[in-house]
Amino acid sequence: GAVVSQHPSRVICKSGTSVKIECRSLDFQATTMFWYRQFPKKSLMLMATSNEGSKATYEQGVEKDKFLINHASLTLSTLTVTSAHPEDSSFYICSAILPSGGHTDTQYFGPGTRLTVL
Amino acid sequence: GNSVTQMEGPVTLSEEAFLTINCTYTATGYPSLFWYVQYPGEGLQLLLKATKADDKGSNKGFEATYRKETTSFHLEKGSVQVSDSAVYFCALRNKEYGNKLVFGAGTILRVKS
Repeated sequence: GAVVSQHPSRVICKSGTSVKIECRSLDFQATTMFWYRQFPKKSLMLMATSNEGSKATYEQGVEKDKFLINHASLTLSTLTVTSAHPEDSSFYICSAILPSGGHTDTQYFGPGTRLTVL
Repeated sequence: GNSVTQMEGPVTLSEEAFLTINCTYTATGYPSLFWYVQYPGEGLQLLLKATKADDKGSNKGFEATYRKETTSFHLEKGSVQVSDSAVYFCALRNKEYGNKLVFGAGTILRVKS
């Protein structure tokens, strides 16, 4: 199946610093990627939809100035957590849509990035 | 709105036992339904899917049937293995909701040898 990678897999940073997480579709072009946040033992919460060449669409309650998303190319989307604080510590997962014609498109997930803010 | 409800876990089974994880949904229109699996420390992997009523998705011995009359998509496997231990997420995607995935809370499965 299609492969989506994330980098880094784990990151530890100090409070107040910014962290960038990359999401790449390795063997297909993805016009749409999604960013999720997963709390321990909880389901995934959709943060935003990243569209290549245009601004990301954020879900209600997600601060767009704190979680900056850039979808610079058809294979790369980045999530930057700005001025990170301990409450931003979480597992961040991206996904990319493999287009196959509208309703049957399949979403492939990256392995996730564990962010720990000290 | 769109929502997915899964049975609470954890579900603990012995190897070779029969598995059922219940999933029901609420949605307008005709959503596609999915089961994703997340192994420890990893991201989600698509396990199976069904795109219309009465479709059966199957993969690796798991199967689920899209039941529109009961708005359900229960996951089953006839004989589980220790390697099936993971978290299972039921999800739907609805064109009327911008094709975004809506996930259930996840069900932890633990299989003992």
